[in-house]
Amino acid sequence: QQQVKQSPQSLIVQKGGISIINCAYENTAFDYFPWYQQFPGKGPALLIAIRPDVSEKKEGRFTISFNKSAKQFSLHIMDSQPGDSATYFCAANSTSGTYKYIFGTGTRLKVLA
Amino acid sequence: NAGVTQTPKFQVLKTGQSMTLQCAQDMNHEYMSWYRQDPGMGLRLIHYSVGAGITDQGEVPNGYNVSRSTTEDFPLRLLSAAPSQTSVYFCASSWGARQPQHFGDGTRLSIL
Repeated sequence: QQQVKQSPQSLIVQKGGISIINCAYENTAFDYFPWYQQFPGKGPALLIAIRPDVSEKKEGRFTISFNKSAKQFSLHIMDSQPGDSATYFCAANSTSGTYKYIFGTGTRLKVLA
Repeated sequence: NAGVTQTPKFQVLKTGQSMTLQCAQDMNHEYMSWYRQDPGMGLRLIHYSVGAGITDQGEVPNGYNVSRSTTEDFPLRLLSAAPSQTSVYFCASSWGARQPQHFGDGTRLSIL
């Protein structure tokens, strides 16, 4: 019940295309869903986050879509660029309980020039 | 503003040795966490702290100890290193439960 399942494991997209990464969770107590971006040799950095009271959040080329009833959320990267090539992690946390983030297993994105 | 600083960046240990991974943050964050990152498994929470003097176990706490005597520092101790603890370790801090976590650049640990 604590898992966050992330797919796909890897993704190759042409420059200018849309990258889509999906996550699903089971624990209905989760109420904070961030996405992190990680470049090789670096720690993850927060990209965008959403709370379950909204269905979509957009920041620049990055959009999170959230489906509370299906317990799924996804990251869309519009107009994907080679500089977006990185590993992306979704995560979930229950802010009313313990401070225990659960991370997905990661998606390695490669954007071809 | 250094953010989250982890030392050392690389370390090789022999089985059975002990060591402490250091983590310091200069943002006055109350929340701090330790994760390990292994291929195909994402980041798994080892221990976390919601303030000085308060720590709790995460998903994979066995073989690790933590303490939080100050707001700034959150060291992770390996009591008796095992090859299964070969991993990349990340420390993170944040203002609160719904605030962004700021990660250090990791410690790459190999245990022979």
